[in-house]
Amino acid sequence: AQRVTQPEKLLSVFKGAPVELKCNYSYSGSPELFWYVQYSRQRLQLLLRHISRESIKGFTADLNKGETSFHLKKPFAQEEDSAMYYCAPAAMDSNYQLIWGAGTKLIIKP
Amino acid sequence: KAGVTQTPRYLIKTRGQQVTLSCSPISGHRSVSWYQQTPGQGLQFLFEYFSETQRNKGNFPGRFSGRQFSNSRSEMNVSTLELGDSALYLCASSFRTGEETQYFGPGTRLLVL
Repeated sequence: AQRVTQPEKLLSVFKGAPVELKCNYSYSGSPELFWYVQYSRQRLQLLLRHISRESIKGFTADLNKGETSFHLKKPFAQEEDSAMYYCAPAAMDSNYQLIWGAGTKLIIKP
Repeated sequence: KAGVTQTPRYLIKTRGQQVTLSCSPISGHRSVSWYQQTPGQGLQFLFEYFSETQRNKGNFPGRFSGRQFSNSRSEMNVSTLELGDSALYLCASSFRTGEETQYFGPGTRLLVL
């Protein structure tokens, strides 16, 4: 199986504070990983993907093969960042069981 | 381009019944994936179809099945419904399979009584 885990179900930080949402993966090979975000009453949408190495809405995520992690970071949280965040694997091959992270609810306090 | 659409948006069924959910992907997208979203379990992958073939499967019982048609539209079927099947079922499409970005539909909310 291509599995990712998110150890935190809920993360609450103050506006302006740094944010780090944790994601660990547990499969071999070169993973392709994504972060998806779901704002209140909106569809789940892509936030960023590791292969593009871009920064979206101030968020970045670096693949750390040594720690098998793909943590999502933002130096200064904003209230509009409050949402549900999911770390997700991609099916690089067929016949794999894909196991998404359970999601982390991020609450930004004013 | 129109986004991913799912029908129906809401559904109420009773235990033991079966249900069929439909998903129309973005035009040109050939991969369709299905997910179950619940407050307790988060988002769980059900299966993915690409070019009418099931490519990947999650850890769900055989009561959950799907298919994809030649126009890439997909249906998901759940037989012998159980109370625990109450959830939001999301469909996502992508141009290809594998490492492609997925675009999600609004979901079908299923309530099993």
